[in-house]
Amino acid sequence: GQNIDQPTEMTATEGAIVQINCTYQTSGFNGLFWYQQHAGEAPTFLSYNVLDGLEEKGRFSSFLSRSKGYSYLLLKELQMKDSASYLCAVRVSGGSYIPTFGRGTSLIVHP
Amino acid sequence: DTAVSQTPKYLVTQMGNDKSIKCEQNLGHDTMYWYKQDSKKFLKIMFSYNNKELIINETVPNRFSPKSPDKAHLNLHINSLELGDSAVYFCASSQEIRFDNSYEQYFGPGTRLTVT
Repeated sequence: GQNIDQPTEMTATEGAIVQINCTYQTSGFNGLFWYQQHAGEAPTFLSYNVLDGLEEKGRFSSFLSRSKGYSYLLLKELQMKDSASYLCAVRVSGGSYIPTFGRGTSLIVHP
Repeated sequence: DTAVSQTPKYLVTQMGNDKSIKCEQNLGHDTMYWYKQDSKKFLKIMFSYNNKELIINETVPNRFSPKSPDKAHLNLHINSLELGDSAVYFCASSQEIRFDNSYEQYFGPGTRLTVT
């Protein structure tokens, strides 16, 4: 099985930078996804990492270290609309290849 | 155009009833999924269909049965509803996911099921 751990909740100030961590324990790692989910809405795709390093996409960046079983999502220039849950999902090779989701991190951005 | 749609958006019903949730995707994707999200926001895979074949069936009660009339539709039928079935059910779709690729999943708006 897979064990995915994220902080339950984080708070940050508008305009600041926040880093949301995700650690995982799995065999046959085959990629890590980050999704954003606003309250009452569907999850939407943010990023995908399969190789070590940083992937940047606008204000959002995602980092992966496979040897450490660790990823983070970095959000810059925070806006109020970034208040949402951020879900880390890990995929393993073999079997179904369907990503397993962590419990998500609820980010609250305040003025 | 809606990519992944679900109906109904809200469903309130009594214990013991049978209900269905419908899902349709117009993205031409090969694979569709059903997820259950509980009150603690944990998103758990229930079923996945690839080209009308069930490729995964997690340990869900057999009261839940997915039905896929064609590649664009994956419906979820639930028999003998129980209080613990109350949750938000999300349908999703993606390109072929069984090989190394970065195909993300597209989620429907969710169906909030309340069993009383």
